Amino acid sequence: SAVISQKPSRDICQRGTSLTIQCQVDSQVTMMFWYRQQPGQSLTLIATANQGSEATYESGFVIDKFPISRPNLTFSTLTVSNMSPEDSSIYLCSVARDRGKGEAFFGQGTRLTVV
Amino acid sequence: DAKTTQPNSMESNEEEPVHLPCNHSTISGTDYIHWYRQLPSQGPEYVIHGLTSNVNNRMASLAIAEDRKSSTLILHRATLRDAAVYYCILRDRVGDSSYKLIFGSGTRLLVRP
Repeated sequence: SAVISQKPSRDICQRGTSLTIQCQVDSQVTMMFWYRQQPGQSLTLIATANQGSEATYESGFVIDKFPISRPNLTFSTLTVSNMSPEDSSIYLCSVARDRGKGEAFFGQGTRLTVV
Repeated sequence: DAKTTQPNSMESNEEEPVHLPCNHSTISGTDYIHWYRQLPSQGPEYVIHGLTSNVNNRMASLAIAEDRKSSTLILHRATLRDAAVYYCILRDRVGDSSYKLIFGSGTRLLVRP
């Protein structure tokens, strides 16, 4: 298994500001992902965090809005930039150790409210 | 991306078996079928996965149709703790060394005492 620590667990932010969310894993993992879950909705994949290179973003998500870093195999950050109330969501970090068919693990999420 | 179709919600009585269906008619030959569940106020957790054969683990069983176009997650004795949203996901391989999980809308399971 993999233990994931996300910080902060929740925050209330002013519109126009930025928030950086940290994801720390207790062991090296191959894959790291960032998801968004809007209230009452399913999870939407934002991007795959690639170690040592630029993240791979899904359709509808751009680097200027959601810059991602992954400096090593156990840590990643997601920044939500120039926030608006529509960015109010739960943001989740997910990791997978196996390149093949193995299971993925999820953090508890960061609950973001933009006012 | 291969898609899955699940009922929006299902209900069960406590200690009875639950069969959660999933249709994935566009599945490709190398797609694995994964099931995750999300308990209230928590991140998703892995339940089970399979490719072609039925699978069992301590949490559940996965029955996969012979043509692989559908599958069923079986909880043998539902408990109140099993009340969650259950997601059936096709493992989407990207390149030859990575994969990502694309979530559908899932099935909300309600367990009655």
